[in-house]
Amino acid sequence: GNSVTQMEGPVTLSEEAFLTINCTYTATGYPSLFWYVQYPGEGLQLLLKATKADDKGSNKGFEATYRKETTSFHLEKGSVQVSDSAVYFCALGNFGNEKLTFGTGTRLTIIP
Amino acid sequence: GAVVSQHPSWVICKSGTSVKIECRSLDFQATTMFWYRQFPKQSLMLMATSNEGSKATYEQGVEKDKFLINHASLTLSTLTVTSAHPEDSSFYICSARLAGGPGDTQYFGPGTRLTVL
Repeated sequence: GNSVTQMEGPVTLSEEAFLTINCTYTATGYPSLFWYVQYPGEGLQLLLKATKADDKGSNKGFEATYRKETTSFHLEKGSVQVSDSAVYFCALGNFGNEKLTFGTGTRLTIIP
Repeated sequence: GAVVSQHPSWVICKSGTSVKIECRSLDFQATTMFWYRQFPKQSLMLMATSNEGSKATYEQGVEKDKFLINHASLTLSTLTVTSAHPEDSSFYICSARLAGGPGDTQYFGPGTRLTVL
């Protein structure tokens, strides 16, 4: 079955630091991969996605590349801001199957 | 655009009572809605998938008689926790898929925290 393994948190960084949150997956077929972000008191929002191998998803300075050979989809940002403090979820979904499988989430706190 | 609301945002009830949670897509029509449960410091667990006008499809291990789902319109799905017990206390999140949109884009509500005393 499908599974997502995500870097455990919490992660605390200083403003302008480089961010990496690791995500690896196990799936049948050729899944789409996603990063969702949950800000305090809000619902999950789609941050970025990639639908096939070697695709790079990007949004708001965040990037993640779909690596089939390493079954990974690590989230990166070159310079984080306090406003990036949130919980980040890695997820996968198979085309034609609308279900999403989520990782456990990583809480990120950025300090000024 | 693509906003999903949930009501109530939190609810406290006595053991043995039933609680209804609403999930609405505010500015789009959703043929499919999903209900998740999230335990503290854990991931989202899919409970069921509901399609407008048809019966919900429950994930393995989820009691369909306990968690009643009704997707009566393209903008509203409800989850009723029947005869709630303390072990049902959790954070319940719904999501909605945009009708005619990419098959893998879900928009999430802010969640409902249920506490059963």
